[in-house]
Amino acid sequence: EAQVTQNPRYLITVTGKKLTVTCSQNMNHEYMSWYRQDPGLGLRQIYYSMNVEVTDKGDVPEGYKVSRKEKRNFPLILESPSPNQTSLYFCASRTRTDTQYFGPGTRLTVL
Amino acid sequence: AQKVTQAQTEISVVEKEDVTLDCVYETRDTTYYLFWYKQPPSGELVFLIRRNSFDEQNEISGRYSWNFQKSTSSFNFTITASQVVDSAVYFCALTASSGYALNFGKGTSLLVTP
Repeated sequence: EAQVTQNPRYLITVTGKKLTVTCSQNMNHEYMSWYRQDPGLGLRQIYYSMNVEVTDKGDVPEGYKVSRKEKRNFPLILESPSPNQTSLYFCASRTRTDTQYFGPGTRLTVL
Repeated sequence: AQKVTQAQTEISVVEKEDVTLDCVYETRDTTYYLFWYKQPPSGELVFLIRRNSFDEQNEISGRYSWNFQKSTSSFNFTITASQVVDSAVYFCALTASSGYALNFGKGTSLLVTP
């Protein structure tokens, strides 16, 4: 089954404790991206990657890191999480002209 | 630059009413793709439809229909005979063939009450 998976689905952590949210897709898509969703602000892109070892900032990259060492994986790293990074995070993948498929989302709470 | 505007923040209807969600877009590209996604209360983003800029035919899928009009840069979504299960946030999105960015509108929250 074609899908994008994210883990964990729910995470409560404390300020400053490094965390990684994993993302994997099995559709051989070149393009992957991370979004955060906040009430009233819609979906905002954090980072994206057009292929292995090619990443770039989206609209709200501050406080986040990503890497793309393999085509299927695109982890999101929060080196020192802060409460304003409490949000719902989505990973997504697609080809240039194809539909973008989203992971199930990760609800992150930073205390 | 590309932009998607969903002017309706919230809509509330009674079950069985028809409802139209508006989407207006801006792009300089001649080749582009439009999407609608549904986000139910459970939180996942569900793909509904993809339409390319060369295909202005309206589409119907069960109770759902989409009206794409290039002349007004709109891609509106109509739910006929709404049901409680249609309650969700609906997002319109746009991408152009010149790039990978997928630009979302801010979403319309639809509440269908019995």
